[in-house]
Amino acid sequence: KDQVFQPSTVASSEGAVVEIFCNHSVSNAYNFFWYLHFPGCAPRLLVKGSKPSQQGRYNMTYERFSSSLLILQVREADAAVYYCACYQAGTALIFGKGTTLSVSS
Amino acid sequence: DTAVSQTPKYLVTQMGNDKSIKCEQNLGHDTMYWYKQDSKKFLKIMFSYNNKELIINETVPNRFSPKSPDKAHLNLHINSLELGDSAVYFCASSQDEGSEQYFGPGTRLTVT
Repeated sequence: KDQVFQPSTVASSEGAVVEIFCNHSVSNAYNFFWYLHFPGCAPRLLVKGSKPSQQGRYNMTYERFSSSLLILQVREADAAVYYCACYQAGTALIFGKGTTLSVSS
Repeated sequence: DTAVSQTPKYLVTQMGNDKSIKCEQNLGHDTMYWYKQDSKKFLKIMFSYNNKELIINETVPNRFSPKSPDKAHLNLHINSLELGDSAVYFCASSQDEGSEQYFGPGTRLTVT
């Protein structure tokens, strides 16, 4: 079955580098998408691609069936839900169940 | 300017009623989507439209019917609402099927 897997929660301390891991079993999926979601707001794309990439404090690692989102110098304001998704050709984005990041000061 | 907008933001209604959620995008995108986010925060695709034509219809009760009057709009009609329909519904759009998707802020539907 085509699925995307990610941990339900990750905890970090301010100033640290936090890693959120994702892997998938989606056939014919080559791109990862990482979204940030604050409840009540629109999910927002952070980084995407089929190779390692960086957007500001957000780094994405890439392997064929897995990716990690690395958030540098994490802040309390980064506490939110992070979604990993893969695009399966001919269908749509398949999302993981989201990882809730908590940040302690 | 809001790229993808949804109305209403909150919708409280009783079982058995019929309701609609509207979605509009001003990005000039060709593809629009509806997702359902359940109580466990799982985002699941319901429908996808490309240039006003349905291209994805996941296993969704036929009480749910998307309608696309033009490329910029994709509305969701729900008939005979049930308690299990309570969720947050997100609209999204993308330039084409494999491109990044831009989401609306969601509509929280509560069925009592």
